[in-house]
Amino acid sequence: DGGITQSPKYLFRKEGQNVTLSCEQNLNHDAMYWYRQDPGQGLRLIYYSQIVNDFQKGDIAEGYSVSREKKESFPLTVTSAQKNPTAFYLCASSGGKSGNTIYFGEGSWLTVV
Amino acid sequence: ILNVEQSPQSLHVQEGDSTNFTCSFPSSNFYALHWYRWETAKSPEALFVMTLNGDEKKKGRISATLNTKEGYSYLYIKGSQPEDSATYLCALFDSWGKLQFGAGTQVVVTP
Repeated sequence: DGGITQSPKYLFRKEGQNVTLSCEQNLNHDAMYWYRQDPGQGLRLIYYSQIVNDFQKGDIAEGYSVSREKKESFPLTVTSAQKNPTAFYLCASSGGKSGNTIYFGEGSWLTVV
Repeated sequence: ILNVEQSPQSLHVQEGDSTNFTCSFPSSNFYALHWYRWETAKSPEALFVMTLNGDEKKKGRISATLNTKEGYSYLYIKGSQPEDSATYLCALFDSWGKLQFGAGTQVVVTP
């Protein structure tokens, strides 16, 4: 079945370590997105990519990095520069046009101790 | 940063009652407005994608309207049922390809 796969679902890391969250889609979508959710808050855009080998910063890109070397993959690295990395991370993809529905992964919970 | 606002933040509805809530957004740079339903422990699920001023969409007991000139969209739930309990998110797709979400309206339907 087509869809978006995020891994791992739960991740614990020590402070100061970089961690990479995986997001893979087999929907042949051009656009991919990473969002972060904190308790009691909405989804905030970290990075997005509209095409392979190109990506743009969202509203809270500091302390994060991404790559888009393949159409189906958009990994997110949470670096040690991210001051409050503990959060729920959600990956999404779409056909790229504004009228296309967005499809979401199941999310990754990151806890930094 | 786009300012997509949803109100109220949460609401409690008796089973069988109808309800509605609002998504407001800047009317410039509008390309499309999306509505999603997000249940706990699941991925957000698409409800509607609306692009034209005056658009009205319906899916079962849920419907939505769009006013791009004044920058708002309403989501209506008719005859609420417990299974309608979820957080309802709206998101604005802008001219740069960004999809910005509001904070959501949490709906709790009590029997």
